[in-house]
Amino acid sequence: DAKTTQPNSMESNEEEPVHLPCNHSTISGTDYIHWYRQLPSQGPEYVIHGLTSNVNNRMASLAIAEDRKSSTLILHRATLRDAAVYYCILRDVNRDDKIIFGKGTRLHILP
Amino acid sequence: KAGVTQTPRYLIKTRGQQVTLSCSPISGHRSVSWYQQTPGQGLQFLFEYFSETQRNKGNFPGRFSGRQFSNSRSEMNVSTLELGDSALYLCASSLEGQGIRNEQFFGPGTRLTVL
Repeated sequence: DAKTTQPNSMESNEEEPVHLPCNHSTISGTDYIHWYRQLPSQGPEYVIHGLTSNVNNRMASLAIAEDRKSSTLILHRATLRDAAVYYCILRDVNRDDKIIFGKGTRLHILP
Repeated sequence: KAGVTQTPRYLIKTRGQQVTLSCSPISGHRSVSWYQQTPGQGLQFLFEYFSETQRNKGNFPGRFSGRQFSNSRSEMNVSTLELGDSALYLCASSLEGQGIRNEQFFGPGTRLTVL
């Protein structure tokens, strides 16, 4: 399985943008990049996914490098509610649907 | 639309016992996956069911099993419980799954403590 590398933890101030990096140097052409997050005492929730082009939704933006070996999840204006563990995951469109979670990045938001 | 529900939310068992956890997916979802989450190992995939058939399986011993019913509800069973089975067990459902980039919707989990 292709793997991802994320920093263990990051800090950001409330109401400032947050850029969460993810490296996936062994990504294949059919791997989609997915992001999930897990708020304290909850199950993970889907954030965003993309293949090649940058993506935006109401929660975040996903910036994908041209060579697809890295990506960045962008929270445009962090709130205290965004404190969570963020997981960057690769999912092969041609294979099964199982999700392999790494350790993720624990994001701390400072008031 | 109701989210994924899991019962019970908390459970305490002793070593050697067996346990059954239940998951009700979002209405219309046909794929149900189970995960184990522990502080040391993080989130680990157990298995996935689709249309009552196990489609994928993680690297867990045979003591961990599951099934899916015709209404897509799923149960997982752990026999001969060990202390190391203490964990949060999460269930996730999605519309279909294979070959499709469906997002998975997770339930709140069942916290199992083995004494």
